[in-house]
Amino acid sequence: GQSLEQPSEVTAVEGAIVQINCTYQTSGFYGLSWYQQHDGGAPTFLSYNALDGLEETGRFSSFLSRSDSYGYLLLQELQMKDSASYFCAVRGGSQGNLIFGKGTKLSVKP
Amino acid sequence: DAGVTQSPTHLIKTRGQHVTLRCSPISGHKSVSWYQQVLGQGPQFIFQYYEKEERGRGNFPDRFSARQFPNYSSELNVNALLLGDSALYLCASRADRGAKNIQYFGAGTRLSVL
Repeated sequence: GQSLEQPSEVTAVEGAIVQINCTYQTSGFYGLSWYQQHDGGAPTFLSYNALDGLEETGRFSSFLSRSDSYGYLLLQELQMKDSASYFCAVRGGSQGNLIFGKGTKLSVKP
Repeated sequence: DAGVTQSPTHLIKTRGQHVTLRCSPISGHKSVSWYQQVLGQGPQFIFQYYEKEERGRGNFPDRFSARQFPNYSSELNVNALLLGDSALYLCASRADRGAKNIQYFGAGTRLSVL
């Protein structure tokens, strides 16, 4: 089967740095994605890693270690608007479909 | 360009009824996927369609079915509704090309089964 584990909640203050970890188990692996979802909104794509290493997109970075089946999303210079749920998702299995974790609710405090 | 559009935005049904949800992908996108999102959980994969053919199916009962039309829009049908089917149903489209497999989500249809 396929499963993803990520913390359920994280709290941080404005301007801080926060790291959201994700470990996964999948029978096939094509890449690890991260999506952001504000309350009542649609998930929106943030980042994607197919190979080991760090991908940087502005204030957000994502890391992947395929040998450890592990990745993380790093959010820098946190802003209030970053308060949202963050999902890691694996494209895997025999069909290569996107399987999501349960999400991490990030609360950014003033 | 319009994003992924879904209709209706909200729906209230009773147990045993049938529901049809609709999705129009981003222009030029031929792949459409459906997800169910229960409150406090991540989206759960239901179906993927590409060029009108089913390309993937998640762990959902046969009460769930879908189809894709020649214009790449899609419908998700759920028969014999149960209380547990209450959820946000998300549609996502994806471009043919692009190594990142980015899914573009619609705002969803919130289904309440009473």
